[in-house]
Amino acid sequence: DGGITQSPKYLFRKEGQNVTLSCEQNLNHDAMYWYRQDPGQGLRLIYYSQIVNDFQKGDIAEGYSVSREKKESFPLTVTSAQKNPTAFYLCASSMEGTSTDTQYFGPGTRLTVL
Amino acid sequence: GNSVTQMEGPVTLSEEAFLTINCTYTATGYPSLFWYVQYPGEGLQLLLKATKADDKGSNKGFEATYRKETTSFHLEKGSVQVSDSAVYFCALMDSNYQLIWGAGTKLIIKP
Repeated sequence: DGGITQSPKYLFRKEGQNVTLSCEQNLNHDAMYWYRQDPGQGLRLIYYSQIVNDFQKGDIAEGYSVSREKKESFPLTVTSAQKNPTAFYLCASSMEGTSTDTQYFGPGTRLTVL
Repeated sequence: GNSVTQMEGPVTLSEEAFLTINCTYTATGYPSLFWYVQYPGEGLQLLLKATKADDKGSNKGFEATYRKETTSFHLEKGSVQVSDSAVYFCALMDSNYQLIWGAGTKLIIKP
């Protein structure tokens, strides 16, 4: 069964702690993405990667970091520098990252900072 | 810069009503256009897409036509069901291959 998995579904963090969100895909897609979704707003791009060992900042990368050591994995770390990290985080992948590509989404992780 | 504007929700309809959710965009060139749907408690799913002017995307009874002259990609369905209740997002793919999203429109269908 091909798809994108994100874990955990819910995550609680104390202020000042770093936390890592997992994203795995078995679709053999080259490109992967992290988005943040806040209530009443569209998705905003945090980071994206079009190939292993390479990634670029999106519109709201400050306070976040990523790695892409394997094609199927693109973990996102929310650092203590992120001022307002409580949000719903969505991971996506696409075959090549081109202009007509469809992005496929995972089920999301809801992060709450206590 | 590139942007997507959707009609504000929530949109509340009775079952079997006709649905239109407006979406207009601002972009350079001719971006690909997408509608995604988010059912309660779930991630996003692609509903339909169109990659060039005058293309019509369709899926599950939903349709949208890429109108270059009005820079629009309105979502329509002839007869909605309770199971269509969800949040609908319009998006465009910019020249850097990044999706630019509208704010989403919540659709509520009453039996």
